[in-house]
Amino acid sequence: GQNIDQPTEMTATEGAIVQINCTYQTSGFNGLFWYQQHAGEAPTFLSYNVLDGLEEKGRFSSFLSRSKGYSYLLLKELQMKDSASYLCAVSSAYSGAGSYQLTFGKGTKLSVIP
Amino acid sequence: SQTIHQWPATLVQPVGSPLSLECTVEGTSNPNLYWYRQAAGRGLQLLFYSVGIGQISSEVPQNLSASRPQDRQFILSSKKLLLSDSGFYLCAWSVSPRGGTIYFGEGSWLTVV
Repeated sequence: GQNIDQPTEMTATEGAIVQINCTYQTSGFNGLFWYQQHAGEAPTFLSYNVLDGLEEKGRFSSFLSRSKGYSYLLLKELQMKDSASYLCAVSSAYSGAGSYQLTFGKGTKLSVIP
Repeated sequence: SQTIHQWPATLVQPVGSPLSLECTVEGTSNPNLYWYRQAAGRGLQLLFYSVGIGQISSEVPQNLSASRPQDRQFILSSKKLLLSDSGFYLCAWSVSPRGGTIYFGEGSWLTVV
């Protein structure tokens, strides 16, 4: 099975940098996703990592280390609108050839304060 | 561009009543379709997925069912709702089967009373 761990809550100051960690245990790893979910809304796709290293997209960056089963989402120049839950999701082999499943962590609720 | 819509956005239903949530995808053909549920304080749970018309796979035993009568239409149903069915229901689609990036609809808040 899959096991995904991420902190439940984090608080950071407007304008600062915050790093949200995600660790996972899985077999047949096929990629790691980060989603942003504002309260009462659907998740929206942020980033995808399949190879080791850093993927940068504006103020958001995501890092992956497959050997360590570890990823983080880095948010720079925090804004109040970044207050949301951030979901780590792992794609891994399911059953049968070419079949994968996407498993979500429980999410990290980030509060940005003035 | 592709869009996904689901409705209704919010509903309050008594225990034992039926349920029907609908979802449609536009701008793509033969998408993979999913129904997820997000209960309070819990992560996203995959309920059903479909790779084509009439092809439905259920991930967890429950009193819910899903149908795909058309290529871009996905319906979640129940004949008799339970209190435990309350939650945030999300329809989603992807191009690649299962393990690729998925995109969510707006979600439907269901409260069973």
